[in-house]
Amino acid sequence: QVQLQESGPGLVKPSETLSLTCNVSGASITNSYWSWIRQPAGKGLEWIGRIYLGGNTNYNPSLKNRVTMSLDTSQTQFSMSLTSVTAADTAIYYCARVISSYYLGMPFWYFDLWGRGTLVTVSS
Amino acid sequence: SSELTQDPTMSVALGQTVRITCQGDGLRNYFASWYQQKPGQAPVLVIYGKDNRPSGIPDRFSGSRSGDAASLTITGAQAEDEAEYYCNSRHSSGSHLVFGGGTKLTVL
Repeated sequence: QVQLQESGPGLVKPSETLSLTCNVSGASITNSYWSWIRQPAGKGLEWIGRIYLGGNTNYNPSLKNRVTMSLDTSQTQFSMSLTSVTAADTAIYYCARVISSYYLGMPFWYFDLWGRGTLVTVSS
Repeated sequence: SSELTQDPTMSVALGQTVRITCQGDGLRNYFASWYQQKPGQAPVLVIYGKDNRPSGIPDRFSGSRSGDAASLTITGAQAEDEAEYYCNSRHSSGSHLVFGGGTKLTVL
């Protein structure tokens, strides 16, 4: 059974860097795309970015200048860091597996597995 | 604001059918996926691709697509279907993924 588990500090000070890790069990980390998604309290989902084998990344343009993702295949985990955080970055952060496929030449993606999420609060 | 537009709230009588719609230019070229989220829980995938359901998702959930819109249909809504529903697809620029703003579904 594949499971994802986020970990990281629950509290980060403004202007500092938020760092999170997603531990993957039951699946190879080298065979899939992996994403981070966040959700401020009472609001919708926001896709942060994705990473896949070779360290190739794709980020949300609204966060591109502040976010970095990486893979650690030896530890079967992937990570993200978000610099210069503000209160607007307070949210539940989810990690998820991304599946990419095609149907009649039309591509599609979906998040088939999610972690439970971890709440990160930005406050002094 | 999201490039994928959803009605913020919808309601359906128990046992009736409801269609939740997601609209955006990117949907002309990419399929949407749909997620159900209940309070305090992580989202769960319910529909992906043309009209595929993951194992364990009831067959009352179905998906469709037309032009710049994608729809999630629940045929014979049950009380446990009350939740927030989000669509996701690729941005029309092709550069990144984006979620719709979500639709809060109430089952009456």
